Amino acid sequence: AQTVTQSQPEMSVQEAETVTLSCTYDTSENNYYLFWYKQPPSRQMILVIRQEAYKQQNATENRFSVNFQKAAKSFSLKISDSQLGDTAMYFCAFMKHQGTYKYIFGTGTRLKVLA
Amino acid sequence: NAGVTQTPKFRVLKTGQSMTLLCAQDMNHEYMYWYRQDPGMGLRLIHYSVGEGTTAKGEVPDGYNVSRLKKQNFLLGLESAAPSQTSVYFCASSYGRAKNIQYFGAGTRLSVL
Repeated sequence: AQTVTQSQPEMSVQEAETVTLSCTYDTSENNYYLFWYKQPPSRQMILVIRQEAYKQQNATENRFSVNFQKAAKSFSLKISDSQLGDTAMYFCAFMKHQGTYKYIFGTGTRLKVLA
Repeated sequence: NAGVTQTPKFRVLKTGQSMTLLCAQDMNHEYMYWYRQDPGMGLRLIHYSVGEGTTAKGEVPDGYNVSRLKKQNFLLGLESAAPSQTSVYFCASSYGRAKNIQYFGAGTRLSVL
């Protein structure tokens, strides 16, 4: 069975600074997908970034980038130039490449950006 | 751009009452999911559907039933609500070529007293 671990329940960062959120996972699969979702106070789950395990290159989306270490089963999210609107709960999620396309979520990291 | 719509947004039930949560998507997605979110536990899959007329159990299915009579709708039922079912419930859907991305509704906050 797959598991996803987010070891940082809460983090804070000063506006305009950089912060890194950690995620590790356990799987025997070789092909899979990894995701970071953002959940602001509105509760709406928003996809931040996606990584395909068979791609070596780390995914980037504007100020958001990942450090994907397949051998170490690590998938961290870096937020550059943090903004007040980045304050949210962040969830890491795993999905097998084939099957019923179910997500396995981590327990989340609550990020607060300080003015 | 309605996307995934959940009704109701809030509900308070008494123990033993029943209710149905409705999820509707207008994106013609094949796959639909129901999750519950509890503090410190992330989102856990209750039931899911891979197409009209089909449903399957997820990680925490006990106490819930689902139906997918129409492709665009996925219903989650609580036959006899219990305080342990107090939670925030999320519906999500995904589609053919990019099944790996799920689109979420805004959630339903349910309190069972």
